[in-house]
Amino acid sequence: AQSVTQPDIHITVSEGASLELRCNYSYGATPYLFWYVQSPGQGLQLLLKYFSGDTLVQGIKGFEAEFKRSQSSFNLRKPSVHWSDAAEYFCAVGMDSSYKLIFGSGTRLLVRP
Amino acid sequence: DVKVTQSSRYLVKRTGEKVFLECVQDMDHENMFWYRQDPGLGLRLIYFSYDVKMKEKGDIPEGYSVSREKKERFSLILESASTNQTSMYLCASSKGIQGIWNQPQHFGDGTRLSIL
Repeated sequence: AQSVTQPDIHITVSEGASLELRCNYSYGATPYLFWYVQSPGQGLQLLLKYFSGDTLVQGIKGFEAEFKRSQSSFNLRKPSVHWSDAAEYFCAVGMDSSYKLIFGSGTRLLVRP
Repeated sequence: DVKVTQSSRYLVKRTGEKVFLECVQDMDHENMFWYRQDPGLGLRLIYFSYDVKMKEKGDIPEGYSVSREKKERFSLILESASTNQTSMYLCASSKGIQGIWNQPQHFGDGTRLSIL
């Protein structure tokens, strides 16, 4: 069955430091991959998406993610974290023949001043 | 911008009540979704609808039903609320283009429902 794993429940980084959030998926074909962010008390906002082509994808708010087929991974990165990036981040996978998405359990990012 | 509006941010109901959660989107999207969000479990799909009056069960439909009488509106119904349905409920919508499955979903701000 298709699944998404975000192995880190919480991550704490200092403001200005670099960030990498991990995401691994299980799906037999080429997946459609998404990263969403959820600020406290709000819904999910799309950060970026990968469908095909260049495996390094740029998103909003300075985020990028790299699709690595050999590792079944789609890790999210940011070179310099801002305090406003503190939020929960969700990786999701979509599949052919379905409009549904499968979400990971999320990673909560805390930012130290 | 796509706007998905959930009728209530916070809702408190009693065990056994019939509860309605409403969601409206303004972008003429074909697909609408209801999720439940619980700590450590991420988002779990309850039901989704790909057209008016059409629905499909998600991963956790037990205890819930849905209604989609108009394209822009998708309602989640708790037939007889129980305390284990206390949760954050998120509605989402996406374009439904046949054969194009990679459409992102757009989310409302959520309804935090407490069942006492």
